[in-house]
Amino acid sequence: IVMTQTPLSSPVTLGQPASISCRSSQSLVHSDGNTYLSWLQQRPGQPPRLLIYKISNRFSGVPDRFSGSGAGTDFTLKISTVEAEDVGVYYCMQATHFPHTFGQGTKLEIK
Amino acid sequence: QVHLLQSGPEVKKPGSSVKVSCKASGGVFNTYTISWVRLAPGQGLEWMGGIIPIFGRTNYAQKFQGRVTVTADESTSTAYMELSSLSSEDTAVYYCAKDNVPPSGGPTVALAYWGQGTLVTVSS
Repeated sequence: IVMTQTPLSSPVTLGQPASISCRSSQSLVHSDGNTYLSWLQQRPGQPPRLLIYKISNRFSGVPDRFSGSGAGTDFTLKISTVEAEDVGVYYCMQATHFPHTFGQGTKLEIK
Repeated sequence: QVHLLQSGPEVKKPGSSVKVSCKASGGVFNTYTISWVRLAPGQGLEWMGGIIPIFGRTNYAQKFQGRVTVTADESTSTAYMELSSLSSEDTAVYYCAKDNVPPSGGPTVALAYWGQGTLVTVSS
């Protein structure tokens, strides 16, 4: 499954919103009815961190300015108001099919 | 809180093998998949394979089939990834990541927790 993210780079002003899109080459709806689409954040020098799982569920400790949406093959991560600590690379990931696959990554930077 | 502690950086010669460890603490070890993911310079994240320790059942990405071996030792809550026939293209940071139930409860989440990463450099 190929995961395609847009944009690959996103300069954003502090306090403004940001949005990242992710499209899969096949439906991510599992036979159990769930859609295993996650979003991860990788800050500079840090390991990846899970933000969102099953399209729209925030993981433990993730601020509510992060939200996920979508269905089938098209998904979106939104940050309602970007903060300085949000700088990094964001990846979508599908765990519906093996092997798990990731998008190319979107670099979020502050203008 | 689940914590994954990986072994230190490695420098290897082309053609050799490397074995990276990942020790888990907190939570249940043996019933959740532990995966290995790598990040090569200028590349994105790449899932290599995983294991469910209690069953010893493994799953590998086709790209690495025959070259990667993932094992787990339940007695020490440690997973291992061995990669053979190394080339310069294998220079990367290698991460282990564990599926787990979220602290809020509910079904298992893939790659919920990550180790700190292990830099493997392949150079002659």
